[in-house]
Amino acid sequence: DTEVTQTPKHLVMGMTNKKSLKCEQHMGHRAMYWYKQKAKKPPELMFVYSYEKLSINESVPSRFSPECPNSSLLNLHLHALQPEDSALYLCASSLMTGPLGGELFFGEGSRLTVL
Amino acid sequence: GENVEQHPSTLSVQEGDSAVIKCTYSDSASNYFPWYKQELGKGPQLIIDIRSNVGEKKDQRIAVTLNKTAKHFSLHITETQPEDSAVYFCAAHLSSNTGKLIFGQGTTLQVKP
Repeated sequence: DTEVTQTPKHLVMGMTNKKSLKCEQHMGHRAMYWYKQKAKKPPELMFVYSYEKLSINESVPSRFSPECPNSSLLNLHLHALQPEDSALYLCASSLMTGPLGGELFFGEGSRLTVL
Repeated sequence: GENVEQHPSTLSVQEGDSAVIKCTYSDSASNYFPWYKQELGKGPQLIIDIRSNVGEKKDQRIAVTLNKTAKHFSLHITETQPEDSAVYFCAAHLSSNTGKLIFGQGTTLQVKP
């Protein structure tokens, strides 16, 4: 199993809603990532978890709240988002962080629209 | 901070021709350079990577070259096929043991049948 599974694939939410994006991998990877991707742009790193601990937060606004309940799961909790937060949210995983951490496997993404 | 520049932003080739995409990076300590292919509606997928102790790597129709002195690396696709049409991203990994990959801006490759 070399898959990173993300749910939901599509999400539409209002600015006052609270929702969550979920990500799962069963490859035994200990590094998990959230990226944000706008149309025709490269992925932008948001958060990195290493061994279930948050190791990088790229100055992401607090309306995005990551959570890593265990080594296979990664959540992104969304609250009071703005229309400019509409984007494709990609989850990824690798064996470990760092240049020797192995290939980065991406999920298909969750396309978020904020009204 | 690290910066990765990628050219061209769009590339159109005839089926069977070769395609070359070039990237330059700014941090001389970067030591890992992956290339990703992203098809419409999908997440990026690693197609080839190279480490700083190697000058060239090949996998069937795909090759990557690295010039550490010039801080420059390139993706070469030979005998292109319509299914090669996608957005390609180069990236550079900082030498520190973090999870941070710096991506180029992407190249949209169109292979015309």
